[in-house]
Amino acid sequence: GENVEQHPSTLSVQEGDSAVIKCTYSDSASNYFPWYKQELGKGPQLIIDIRSNVGEKKDQRIAVTLNKTAKHFSLHITETQPEDSAVYFCAASMGDKLIFGTGTRLQVFP
Amino acid sequence: KAGVTQTPRYLIKTRGQQVTLSCSPISGHRSVSWYQQTPGQGLQFLFEYFSETQRNKGNFPGRFSGRQFSNSRSEMNVSTLELGDSALYLCASNSGNTNEKLFFGSGTQLSVL
Repeated sequence: GENVEQHPSTLSVQEGDSAVIKCTYSDSASNYFPWYKQELGKGPQLIIDIRSNVGEKKDQRIAVTLNKTAKHFSLHITETQPEDSAVYFCAASMGDKLIFGTGTRLQVFP
Repeated sequence: KAGVTQTPRYLIKTRGQQVTLSCSPISGHRSVSWYQQTPGQGLQFLFEYFSETQRNKGNFPGRFSGRQFSNSRSEMNVSTLELGDSALYLCASNSGNTNEKLFFGSGTQLSVL
């Protein structure tokens, strides 16, 4: 079925450390993988996305890697800051729909 | 450019009632998607409307319905509310040409008592 698994569900890091969130998808035809950040009281906001013809994409302190063979992709945040604290969602395209993971609550402690 | 606007921000209803939520997409966006967000379940896809037609549908019961108007604004209706319908309902819009670059509103928090 259409499924995206996301781990871990919660992640606590010290400011300045790196954070990694991993997702696995079920549909080998998936070709688009966005990551969203949701702050308290707000809707999810797109922070980075990658298409299946690219293995890695980086935007300042954020990077996403994709392993099509294993059907998993990861979000990497380096030099974390307190303002990175939020819930992060991965998603994968399945047909015409975007299927989301269950979210990771990231807490960055000063 | 104004973002996606959802109204109302909060709603409290009782079991058995019905509710209508509204979403105004970003100007120029023709696709509107609705998601249900509950703790631990992430975002569950409800349906997508494009040019006033339902283009995709998730696995929700028929109590959940929607529509889209000629100006791309969309409404979602839930009839015969159940306690389990308590959730944050999110609306997202994009150009509609692909399923990429979804822009979300802040959601409507529905509580069913």
